[in-house]
Amino acid sequence: AQSVTQLDSHVSVSEGTPVLLRCNYSSSYSPSLFWYVQHPNKGLQLLLKYTSAATLVKGINGFEAEFKKSETSFHLTKPSAHMSDAAEYFCVVRGYSTLTFGKGTMLLVSP
Amino acid sequence: EAGVAQSPRYKIIEKRQSVAFWCNPISGHATLYWYQQILGQGPKLLIQFQNNGVVDDSQLPKDRFSAERLKGVDSTLKIQPAKLEDSAVYLCASSPNTGLAGNEQFFGPGTRLTVL
Repeated sequence: AQSVTQLDSHVSVSEGTPVLLRCNYSSSYSPSLFWYVQHPNKGLQLLLKYTSAATLVKGINGFEAEFKKSETSFHLTKPSAHMSDAAEYFCVVRGYSTLTFGKGTMLLVSP
Repeated sequence: EAGVAQSPRYKIIEKRQSVAFWCNPISGHATLYWYQQILGQGPKLLIQFQNNGVVDDSQLPKDRFSAERLKGVDSTLKIQPAKLEDSAVYLCASSPNTGLAGNEQFFGPGTRLTVL
């Protein structure tokens, strides 16, 4: 069985400052991990994915995440937040073919 | 390439009524998923189809929920009768195949159901 825990329900940053969204996972085997973003009234969009290749994964819109097996973490970061980054972000772990979602982190970006 | 289509986008019904949602996946995608996303939570898988067969429906409340994908293309999800706690966004997703690590699922915009 697999699960993810997103450590913050809300994160507030100012535009131009770094973003850190935290995620810890639990998996009985080598996991595939994803970050999805959901803008209001829009579908879920894949930001990036880790599938046992490089531990530092680069995604769209300047986001990246680092897989740390020793810490069972897959935190999402971005050096400089933009107003358009305001959305809900989901950390996801993949089983054989199904996805298990975290509860989400709402990112708020202020001018 | 057209994305996953869902209709309707919004639906308001009274409890004990019936409702149906429709999903058309990306052309050629063999696997189709229905998720339920309750406000403030992440999506939860209800059912997964591989072509026209059910792969996983362990979290589908079968006493009131049903889903079909008769021709292995589009799919319908039905709730009969609806309860207040069924208020949620119902998401459909598709992927090209199953069993491959890291395979991406493509999501539709969802149907927001409100049960009064």
